[in-house]
Amino acid sequence: AQSVAQPEDQVNVAEGNPLTVKCTYSVSGNPYLFWYVQYPNRGLQFLLKYITGDNLVKGSYGFEAEFNKSQTSFHLKKPSALVSDSALYFCAVRDIGSGGYQKVTFGTGTKLQVIP
Amino acid sequence: GAVVSQHPSRVICKSGTSVKIECRSLDFQATTMFWYRQFPKKSLMLMATSNEGSKATYEQGVEKDKFLINHASLTLSTLTVTSAHPEDSSFYICSASEEVWGNQPQHFGDGTRLSIL
Repeated sequence: AQSVAQPEDQVNVAEGNPLTVKCTYSVSGNPYLFWYVQYPNRGLQFLLKYITGDNLVKGSYGFEAEFNKSQTSFHLKKPSALVSDSALYFCAVRDIGSGGYQKVTFGTGTKLQVIP
Repeated sequence: GAVVSQHPSRVICKSGTSVKIECRSLDFQATTMFWYRQFPKKSLMLMATSNEGSKATYEQGVEKDKFLINHASLTLSTLTVTSAHPEDSSFYICSASEEVWGNQPQHFGDGTRLSIL
């Protein structure tokens, strides 16, 4: 099965500073990777995805992610953090479900806290 | 675009009650819908995947008689928690996709907070 790992439960960053939320993946074949964000008591919102192409993927709200095949990583980044970026971030990978259909497997999530 | 409406947002009920949660895609046809359960400060656990007009595919360890899923149309899926007990209390989230291959992002509802007394 495909999987992603988010090694940090929480990341704290000062407003205006660059932020990085880490994700590593373990897949057989080509990885299909996603980042989602969840605000309190809400569902998830899609930020960006990598399927093929440029290793630097740009997404919503100024976020971007860098696909690194040699390090099997897909870290989420933003040049300048906003307080409103504080939320729970999930890395995800396309996987195969028990019925043979496609599904998405999520990481454990990283809470981002941007300090004013 | 790609809005998913989940209703109700919060349910509080007594043990033994059955609870139905609706998930609707408002502006697209949802070929596939997913139901997740999320525990506090934890990731999403996929419960089942449903395709319109066919039986849901449940993940290992999820009781299909406990969590009934119906995907009767391309815009509506329902999850019924039958004879709910306190251990079923959780945050349930649905998502929908226009395709089955997993290339496109899923569109999520805002979740249902279920509390069983």
